Order: sequence, then C-alpha cells, then structure tokens
Amino acid sequence: DAGITQSPRHKVTETGTPVTLRCHQTENHRYMYWYRQDPGHGLRLIHYSYGVKDTDKGEVSDGYSVSRSKTEDFLLTLESATSSQTSVYFCAITGGGDEQFFGPGTRLTVL
Amino acid sequence: DQQVKQNSPSLSVQEGRISILNCDYTNSMFDYFLWYKKYPAEGPTFLISISSIKDKNEDGRFTVFLNKSAKHLSLHIVPSQPGDSAVYFCAASGLRSGNQFYFGTGTSLTVIP
Repeated sequence: DAGITQSPRHKVTETGTPVTLRCHQTENHRYMYWYRQDPGHGLRLIHYSYGVKDTDKGEVSDGYSVSRSKTEDFLLTLESATSSQTSVYFCAITGGGDEQFFGPGTRLTVL
Repeated sequence: DQQVKQNSPSLSVQEGRISILNCDYTNSMFDYFLWYKKYPAEGPTFLISISSIKDKNEDGRFTVFLNKSAKHLSLHIVPSQPGDSAVYFCAASGLRSGNQFYFGTGTSLTVIP
C-alpha cells in the first residue's frame, strides 16, 4: 500500500470555524491531490499540487485553500466552514505515473 | 459539467455471472482511463487502466474495453464474486488536462451469492 495518511479521520465542526485537514505521504511523490466525495457527484477535485509551493485549482476550489511547504505534506484549509462543505475528503498521490493512490479519507461534518 | 459519466448508479449480479459496468466521457482529449474500486469507509483503490492506443486491457478477471469513437468504456468482471461488491468509479485524464483526473459518479455493484 502507498504510504498515505490523513488526519483527522473524523471531524465535527460548526459553521464559520476554520478547519485544516492534513495529508501525509512517505512515498516522496511529486503530485498530491485533494478530492471531495459526495452522493451523486462522485469524486471532485478541489486542489492539487505538482511540487513544493506549487499548487493549482480543481473544479470545486471555492471556499478552500491549500499549502505544501514540504514534499510529504499537503494541507487543505476551509477558512470558514459551511454546511455545504460537509463531505468525505480524500487525498491522493501520483508519482507522475499512471494511477493515483488514495488515502483513507476524512469525514467532515459542518453543523 | 460532468466530463465523465456513469449512468447506472447501481447494478446487481449473481455470483459467477458477468458484471458489466459502463462509463461515457465527453472530452475527446482524454487519452488515459482508469477504474477504481471503493469499499465503504476506505479510499478508492486502483483496479485497471487503459490507454487510448488500445481498445482492450485484461488483468485476471477484469477486462476494460475502450470504444474511442463512441467515447465509451466498460469494465467486465467475470466471474463475479461476492467480494467484488463495492462502488466502482471510472476516471479519465489527458495530456491537456495536466495531471488532473476526472471521475464519474460511481456505480454500486452488488454480487449476490
């Protein structure tokens, strides 16, 4: 299994509070991604990174920011959480090869 | 706008029979296609892929077929086993999409013993 961990695995927070999710990899892979999974929408890309300090937006980036100060860590921040951001968040990595490897997911509930 | 579509939310198949999961895409620049399998409370895991230079790729019980003219791909599982019960996502990427992958909405497969 690819060495990807996500923390926290579960979080309940209130509307308007900031939330940061962490993705950590031990594979030294260049590309890292954040997705959200919602019923009827599948997996949608929020942001991705192609190197330290190099990030770009995905199709559902509004309300989210990311940072990557080290190869192994990719942080996703919700500056002011809203109920529409209740979802399951997955981090993924690729080494520039063909497929992505996913983390176990973080279930976020915004009340 | 959904560039990758899986129009069947669910599928039930008897154990030992063939499961066929379908996927359609709209972007003709996609040149690489993948299938992922997802169990509840776990992240998706890679299953099989196909490049646009091929029309078929096999890996054990799993075969993916690509019809570029129809912008359609399918995943065949034969024989189906109860452990195959999961949600299956197809995904696509292309040179022009950078290293972005576009996913379908998923098909929940149930294999009945």
